[in-house]
Amino acid sequence: EAQVTQNPRYLITVTGKKLTVTCSQNMNHEYMSWYRQDPGLGLRQIYYSMNVEVTDKGDVPEGYKVSRKEKRNFPLILESPSPNQTSLYFCASSLYRVGEQYFGPGTRLTVT
Amino acid sequence: TQLLEQSPQFLSIQEGENLTVYCNSSSVFSSLQWYRQEPGEGPVLLVTVVTGGEVKKLKRLTFQFGDARKDSSLHITAAQPGDTGLYLCAGDEGAGNMLTFGGGTRLMVKP
Repeated sequence: EAQVTQNPRYLITVTGKKLTVTCSQNMNHEYMSWYRQDPGLGLRQIYYSMNVEVTDKGDVPEGYKVSRKEKRNFPLILESPSPNQTSLYFCASSLYRVGEQYFGPGTRLTVT
Repeated sequence: TQLLEQSPQFLSIQEGENLTVYCNSSSVFSSLQWYRQEPGEGPVLLVTVVTGGEVKKLKRLTFQFGDARKDSSLHITAAQPGDTGLYLCAGDEGAGNMLTFGGGTRLMVKP
């Protein structure tokens, strides 16, 4: 089954404690992205990747890091999480640059 | 200020009613996508429109792309409880490497 998986689905952490959210896709897509979703603001892109070892900033990259060492994986790293990073995070992959986005199930992060 | 404005933000209707939601912008888009997101899940693509004036139908859902490619609408006929969800539009301005999403319309259809 074609899918994007994310882990964990829920995470409660404290300010400053480094965390990683994993993302994996099995569709051999070139493009992968991370979005955050906040009420009334829709989805905002954090980072995207066009291929292995090629990443670039989206709309809201501050406080986040990513890596793309393998085509299927695209982890999101928060080195020092802060309460304003409390949000619902989605990983997505796509065949083309702005083609259909295949989203993972989401990770709800709470930073206290 | 969002590049794509969706209206209304919230809509609660009875089963069987018709409704239209809007996605508006001052920018021109090469293409525009509509997604539906159900609670606890990621958005799922419903349709992509690429030509000004284009109309696409998906069962009871009708999507229209404005002639100037700055706006789009989604019309649902005889809404059912299964239509409940968050409807998101996303536009490609043709430059850069990302889609711009609207704030969404949260639809609730009561039985």
